[in-house]
Amino acid sequence: QLQLQESGPGLVKPLETLSLTCTVSGDSVGTTDYYWGWIRQSPGRGLEWIGSVFYTGSPYYNPSLKSRVTVSLDMSKRQFSLELKSVTAADTAVYFCAQTGRGLLHFDWFAYWGQGSLVTVSS
Amino acid sequence: QAALTQPASVSESPGQSITISCTATSNDIFYIDYVSWYQQHLGNAPRLIFHNIGKRPSGVSYRFSASKSGNTASLLISDLQAEDEADYYCSSYTRSGTLVFGGGTKLTV
Repeated sequence: QLQLQESGPGLVKPLETLSLTCTVSGDSVGTTDYYWGWIRQSPGRGLEWIGSVFYTGSPYYNPSLKSRVTVSLDMSKRQFSLELKSVTAADTAVYFCAQTGRGLLHFDWFAYWGQGSLVTVSS
Repeated sequence: QAALTQPASVSESPGQSITISCTATSNDIFYIDYVSWYQQHLGNAPRLIFHNIGKRPSGVSYRFSASKSGNTASLLISDLQAEDEADYYCSSYTRSGTLVFGGGTKLTV
């Protein structure tokens, strides 16, 4: 059974960088068949796609966040990561990591999700 | 304005049916058949219930069905059960290569 688990600080100061890692178990991060992604949910609000990464390491970003986001893949550790720079209170959210279904042309649906990690931006 | 518009909330009695709509605000939001639906119970991660418009992953009840016509995708839930009470989100992979979610619909049974 595939499992994803987010990890990282739960509190980040304004203007600093939010860094989260997602560890995948039960399957190989190095397969050729998947995309991985980050999606966030602000308190009491809806879902927002942040970015995705293909097994080759090619990243794809939400245009509204692109200038501040980096999504990367570390196949040796079976992990993928999110960095969000210059955070503000508006970036306070639950951050989910997720994996798509197998063999997709695009990251159009996520079959597996982590439990989510609450990150609060506050001094 | 969100790229995908959903009603904020809907409610219906157990045993009845309900449809949740998801309307694209522009023509380049829905691309081919890349429309998905997620169910999210309070405090949990979203759960995929449909992809490619109407393809149901294993384990999803047949009481759920999904379709799309023009700029509106729809999720139909029949014979509503108490456990269907949740938030429902549509999403679409767009022609410009991004992923957008609807604002979510809170279903009360």
